[in-house]
Amino acid sequence: HVQLQQSGPGLVKPSQTLSLTCSISGDSVSNNRVVWHWIRQSPSRGLEWLGRTYYRSNWYNDSALSVKSRMSINPDTSNNQLSLHLNSVTPEDTAVYYCVRESVRSSGTNWFDSWGQGTLVTVSS
Amino acid sequence: DIVMTQTPLSLSVTPGQPASISCKSSQSLLYSDGRTYLYWYLQKAGQSPQLLMYEVSSRFSGVPDRFSGSGSGTDFTLKISRVEAEDVAVYYCMQGLHLPLTFGQGTKLEIE
Repeated sequence: HVQLQQSGPGLVKPSQTLSLTCSISGDSVSNNRVVWHWIRQSPSRGLEWLGRTYYRSNWYNDSALSVKSRMSINPDTSNNQLSLHLNSVTPEDTAVYYCVRESVRSSGTNWFDSWGQGTLVTVSS
Repeated sequence: DIVMTQTPLSLSVTPGQPASISCKSSQSLLYSDGRTYLYWYLQKAGQSPQLLMYEVSSRFSGVPDRFSGSGSGTDFTLKISRVEAEDVAVYYCMQGLHLPLTFGQGTKLEIE
């Protein structure tokens, strides 16, 4: 049974970097049948996909254009974790951030089957 | 980006009565592999979203059979045959075909 435990500060000052960690238990961040995502949720923007990373002999990443220049998603295989870094934040980045596992079945079916508990990050001075 | 449009944005239903939520995508979600990448999630108050349906009409493990999904191409529907108090939540459709993955605005289901 996979568990995703998120951690990180709940308050970030404008122009600084938002950093969150997702600790994975019950699975491996390097599992080649899984994709790891970050999604955020705010009243103004709803559920917004930010990006993903996955391992298929090499590491691959994709990001939403809206945050691509400011964001990185990094796997930490030593600690079996996933991190999100979003720099130059503004109040518009205030949201609940989720790490999410997408399982890719051998049949070709895939789904988001595990979500972290969510971390409310407020951008304010 | 594919735009997902849900209607209604809220509905109030008497327990035991049916409920229906529509989701329309701005592009077809049918892929060349024959699968249609439309998902439904629900989010209860204070919780993370959880998967209800995948590929339009397949119920995820543990989802009661009073939930059903239908549709094709760009028009999809989630139906609850008999609403129960535990179904109070916000329901989201999501397309998984093209990046960026996108969600509908959400439909808030309340009990009358």
